[in-house]
Amino acid sequence: SQQGEEDPQALSIQEGENATMNCSYKTSINNLQWYRQNSGRGLVHLILIRSNEREKHSGRLRVTLDTSKKSSSLLITASRAADTASYFCATRPPGGGNKLTFGTGTQLKVEL
Amino acid sequence: GAVVSQHPSRVICKSGTSVKIECRSLDFQATTMFWYRQFPKQSLMLMATSNEGSKATYEQGVEKDKFLINHASLTLSTLTVTSAHPEDSSFYICSASQRGGQETQYFGPGTRLLVL
Repeated sequence: SQQGEEDPQALSIQEGENATMNCSYKTSINNLQWYRQNSGRGLVHLILIRSNEREKHSGRLRVTLDTSKKSSSLLITASRAADTASYFCATRPPGGGNKLTFGTGTQLKVEL
Repeated sequence: GAVVSQHPSRVICKSGTSVKIECRSLDFQATTMFWYRQFPKQSLMLMATSNEGSKATYEQGVEKDKFLINHASLTLSTLTVTSAHPEDSSFYICSASQRGGQETQYFGPGTRLLVL
């Protein structure tokens, strides 16, 4: 079943602009992860944020987590055409286990 | 490191035939492998979790006799779609977790299945 709902479903921006994607989830989590998928390809792990963390950075990526609102956001700064892809959040439940539940995804298009 | 491959990348088959998809961890030992299914412009839906040397755990609504999973070694898991039908056409993606690694799954490039 889908744990996460992401919005927007699709986002189109100009190169150089920032892109923000949001993810909401329903149950408690151990951590939340963001993945990127180019069209017709596998997933690439971008960043992981644990339930006791509020913000994390990796290069041009910034992830926030608000466990009280059960939501997370992914910010891509200074976007490039190569950032065009689908972005998914995925949550891992507490209590061990490695099962991930994916959100619905945001399709990002960065235009030149 | 942490590369996962899938074979084949694309397969077209006739209705009623069986198709086997391989998932390999190339440079690490994967105690757990996961199989997902993804329809166009949709998210990944977990089908089953496969632990080396034991039976796979299937998600609700996934027919275990339809989607046979074998995880005979620490580097290989296979998914066999038996008696495939057009509605089985989809993108199948596997992922693998390293032995002792609890948090990151490494994904394969996916297999596009088209059943005619």
